[in-house]
Amino acid sequence: GAVVSQHPSWVICKSGTSVKIECRSLDFQATTMFWYRQFPKQSLMLMATSNEGSKATYEQGVEKDKFLINHASLTLSTLTVTSAHPEDSSFYICSANTGGASNQPQHFGDGTRLSIL
Amino acid sequence: TQLLEQSPQFLSIQEGENLTVYCNSSSVFSSLQWYRQEPGEGPVLLVTVVTGGEVKKLKRLTFQFGDARKDSSLHITAAQPGDTGLYLCAGLTGKLIFGQGTTLQVKP
Repeated sequence: GAVVSQHPSWVICKSGTSVKIECRSLDFQATTMFWYRQFPKQSLMLMATSNEGSKATYEQGVEKDKFLINHASLTLSTLTVTSAHPEDSSFYICSANTGGASNQPQHFGDGTRLSIL
Repeated sequence: TQLLEQSPQFLSIQEGENLTVYCNSSSVFSSLQWYRQEPGEGPVLLVTVVTGGEVKKLKRLTFQFGDARKDSSLHITAAQPGDTGLYLCAGLTGKLIFGQGTTLQVKP
């Protein structure tokens, strides 16, 4: 089946550091990937849609300069949290679908737990 | 803004009991998905319902899509401790819109 891998799974860093999270589709190509943020015992909130070869589409209220997204290949999207602060601590999850149509099932990575001290 | 209202948000029951989780919206979705998520992991797709009125069964789980494709329900029969987790409904409209989630705890 389709596998999405996220790296790292857990990162702890000091306030002010920039942190990069990778999302890879291991056995399929993904022109579109999605980045979500999840607080404890809450649902997933879509942050942005990552489009291969073009700019990401951000949801309302998400700072583009804070959360930099790069989708340079059909199997890799990266989310960089710039100058991270404690309020950025959260669980970040990416997903990708296997087909070009938007109604194809999305496959989720196992998430990255980000803790900013 | 399309919203999915999921209820209840928290549910704690004894092993063997039945339960139903509801997912409601004022918007029509082309399809609706149900996920289950364990702590520290990504959501895992349980089922996708596409047709209004559709009913799908997955062992002790029964999923139903409303006739108007605006609402859905998940019914679990004879819940077991292994069913404990966060259940999420998500409507598809080009992107996935998630409900608030239902945290289910099944006590032995």
